Amino acid sequence: AQSVTQLGSHVSVSEGALVLLRCNYSSSVPPYLFWYVQYPNQGLQLLLKYTSAATLVKGINGFEAEFKKSETSFHLTKPSAHMSDAAEYFCAVSGLFGNEKLTFGTGTRLTIIP
Amino acid sequence: EPEVTQTPSHQVTQMGQEVILRCVPISNHLYFYWYRQILGQKVEFLVSFYNNEISEKSEIFDDQFSVERPDGSNFTLKIRSTKLEDSAMYFCASAQGQGSYEQYFGPGTRLTVT
Repeated sequence: AQSVTQLGSHVSVSEGALVLLRCNYSSSVPPYLFWYVQYPNQGLQLLLKYTSAATLVKGINGFEAEFKKSETSFHLTKPSAHMSDAAEYFCAVSGLFGNEKLTFGTGTRLTIIP
Repeated sequence: EPEVTQTPSHQVTQMGQEVILRCVPISNHLYFYWYRQILGQKVEFLVSFYNNEISEKSEIFDDQFSVERPDGSNFTLKIRSTKLEDSAMYFCASAQGQGSYEQYFGPGTRLTVT
């Protein structure tokens, strides 16, 4: 069974500062990992994915994440926060066969301070 | 850009009534999913569907729930007799398969059971 843990239900950063959202996974098989963003009253938009190719994954809107097997982590970062980044971010894991269900973390609400 | 669509955006129903939530997945996708998100909680998997049959379902997906792909484009979730605790945002997702693992989500249907 797979699971993800997101540390910090709320994160606040100043505009222009580094964004770091933490995600640790648990999986008995090599995982596929995803970050999704949810803007208020909208659906889930895929930011980026890890599917066992490069460990540093670049996504949309300047976000990237690094897969670290030794730390079972897949933290999301962005060098410089923008006001439009304010949203809820979900880390998710699926199993070896790719098209299996996604198991989501509890989410991290990112607030940007002007 | 192709996208998953869902109707209605908001459905209010009385306890005990049947509801059908509708989704139009991306046209060349082969895998279909339903998830739900109770207000303030994480996104939970309900069911996955491939090759005209359920491939996996969660404990939430009991006998009150059913899914159908009645034609080549629609994918529906039926709740036979709604309960108060079924109130949630329901998301449809689809994935292409064939080596592409991303799930694309619709904007959701907010179901309110009174």
